[in-house]
Amino acid sequence: EDKVVQSPLSLVVHEGDTVTLNCSYEVTNFRSLLWYKQEKKAPTFLFMLTSSGIEKKSGRLSSILDKKELFSILNITATQTGDSAVYLCAEGKETSGSRLTFGEGTQLTVNP
Amino acid sequence: DTGVSQDPRHKITKRGQNVTFRCDPISEHNRLYWYRQTLGQGPEFLTYFQNEAQLEKSRLLSDRFSAERPKGSFSTLEIQRTEQGDSAMYLCASSLGLRGTDEKLFFGSGTQLSVL
Repeated sequence: EDKVVQSPLSLVVHEGDTVTLNCSYEVTNFRSLLWYKQEKKAPTFLFMLTSSGIEKKSGRLSSILDKKELFSILNITATQTGDSAVYLCAEGKETSGSRLTFGEGTQLTVNP
Repeated sequence: DTGVSQDPRHKITKRGQNVTFRCDPISEHNRLYWYRQTLGQGPEFLTYFQNEAQLEKSRLLSDRFSAERPKGSFSTLEIQRTEQGDSAMYLCASSLGLRGTDEKLFFGSGTQLSVL
C-alpha cells in the first residue's frame, strides 16, 4: 500500500526559530511530492516538487526533493506564530490519475 | 468567492440516517476529488471525477457511499445508513486536470460530519 511518512508528528518552537519538517515516500510510479498547510479547515497548497535537488522558495518557506533517498524537507526560517498549523506532505503517482496519498502531517506550534 | 465551496459546513445526524454533501469546484477545473480526514490523520482519498465521469474509487469506500457529478460541475457525496465510524471531515478538492498541474489540488473548507 502507498505510504507517506512524516516526521516529527509534532513540534513546538519559539518565534524566530528555524524548523525542518521531513517527509519520506515510496518510489513506485512516483510523479510528484506536494506540501500543504492546514490551519483550521482547508489545506492550502505550498509547493509541488518533481525534480531532485531544485529548491523551491516562497518567502520564509523552502522545500527540496531528494529522489535518490526518497524524501523531501520543508524548511521554515524565522518562524512566526502564524506559521502554527499542520503541514501535510502528499505523493502523486503516475498511475493514480492525480490522486494524492497524504502523510499524517506535522503539527507545528510556534510560541511567542 | 471563486474558491471551492462545500455545503453544509457541519452536519450532525443519527446513526442509520442518510446524509448528502455538496461541493462546488472552481469553475474552470474539470477534476473534482472527495477526501475524508479524521483527527490527527492526513486526508484519505475517496473518489475523483474527470468532468462527469467517475474515474476512480478507493477500495476503502463502502457501498454505502456514492458520489455524482451529473453535469461536470458541482458534485454530491451521499452516505446511506450512516455509522459512527463515518464521523469525519469530508473534504472536496478540484484541479485543472492538465498534465503537470493536475496534482495541485485546491481544497474546500470541508463538511464536518458527526454521527451520534
